[in-house]
This record gives sequence, structure tokens and C-alpha cells, in this order.
Amino acid sequence: SQKIEQNSEALNIQEGKTATLTCNYTNYSPAYLQWYRQDPGRGPVFLLLIRENEKEKRKERLKVTFDTTLKQSLFHITASQPADSATYLCALATDYKLSFGAGTTVTVRA
Amino acid sequence: EAQVTQNPRYLITVTGKKLTVTCSQNMNHEYMSWYRQDPGLGLRQIYYSMNVEVTDKGDVPEGYKVSRKEKRNFPLILESPSPNQTSLYFCASSLSNRGSGANVLTFGAGSRLTVL
Repeated sequence: SQKIEQNSEALNIQEGKTATLTCNYTNYSPAYLQWYRQDPGRGPVFLLLIRENEKEKRKERLKVTFDTTLKQSLFHITASQPADSATYLCALATDYKLSFGAGTTVTVRA
Repeated sequence: EAQVTQNPRYLITVTGKKLTVTCSQNMNHEYMSWYRQDPGLGLRQIYYSMNVEVTDKGDVPEGYKVSRKEKRNFPLILESPSPNQTSLYFCASSLSNRGSGANVLTFGAGSRLTVL
């Protein structure tokens, strides 16, 4: 069966450090992978999209990698700030459906 | 402001009492979808719509109905709610319905439903 797994439900890091989140998938062959941010009590907000032929994508302090051989995406938040505290979701697209992982909650300590 | 609007945001109801959660988007998006979010399970798709009068089941459609009579609206109907439908519901839309994974979803703020 298809499965999307994000590493550990929670990640606690010190301000200024890099947070690295993992998204592993099985029985998918996505052409695209997306990352969203969700704050408590709010809907997810799109952050980044990476195509299967792109190894890496950056947006400000965010970096995403996509390894279709390992079936894995890594999401990095560099120079983390308390405002980065949120839950981060990875999503894979198949046909007309976007399927989400359960998310990783990041807490950045000042 | 471009947005997806859901109502109600919070609702407590009882088993068997029909309810409708409305969803409206002002971005002229082709594609709309409903998800439910439960702890540890993430977002699971209930139904989606490619365009007006075109709807299809997602992963967890049982107990739900939808309709798409107008492009901007996509209501979620619970004909006979049960306690296992207690959840946080999100409506989302995207510009294109082409099935490409490049379609980015815009989500509503969520509707927290409790069925007693």
C-alpha cells in the first residue's frame, strides 16, 4: 500500500540551528513533491514544490531535496527562528490527488 | 483577498442530525477538495471536484456527500453524522484541474466538528 512517513512527530531545536525534516514514501512514483506549513488552528500553507528532475530547491532559509532513488525528501530550515515553530507537512501528487504525511512539529527555542 | 472560506468554523452536533459545511473560494479555481485531519493520521482526502458537476471520491468518502453546482462553492454534507466523524475538516482549492502534481492547494481555515 502507499505510505508517506515523516520522521518523528516532534523536533525541538535551538534558535540559529538547522532543522532537518525527513519525508519517506513507498509505492508512489511522484513527479512532484510539495511541502506545507501548518500553524495551530489554521489550514496548511504552501511553501515549496520540487520536481522529480530537480535535486534541490531553495527559498530564503528553506531548502528541499528530492531523491527519487531513495524515495525521500529532506526539508531544511537554516538559521532557525522561534517564528519557524509549526508543523510541516510533505505531500505527494498522484493523478488528481495530493496525499499528505502526518507532519513533523518543529519547536524552535530562543 | 484571495481565500477559501469555510463555515461554520466550529460545530457541536448530535448523532444523526444532518449538517452541511460550506466552502467557497474567490479565486476562480477549477479544482476543489475536502480533507479531514485527525491526530497521527494526517490529512486524508474525502472528495474532490475537477469542475462544476464533476466530483469523485477520495480516500475516506464513507458517510459524506458533496456537490459542485457552482464553480466557487463546494459544500460537504454529512447526512447522518456519527461520532467517528468528529474531526477537523479542511476545504482546499487549486487553479488547475490537470492532475499535475504542480497544482498547489490553497486551504481554508478549517472547521472543527464534534459529533456527540
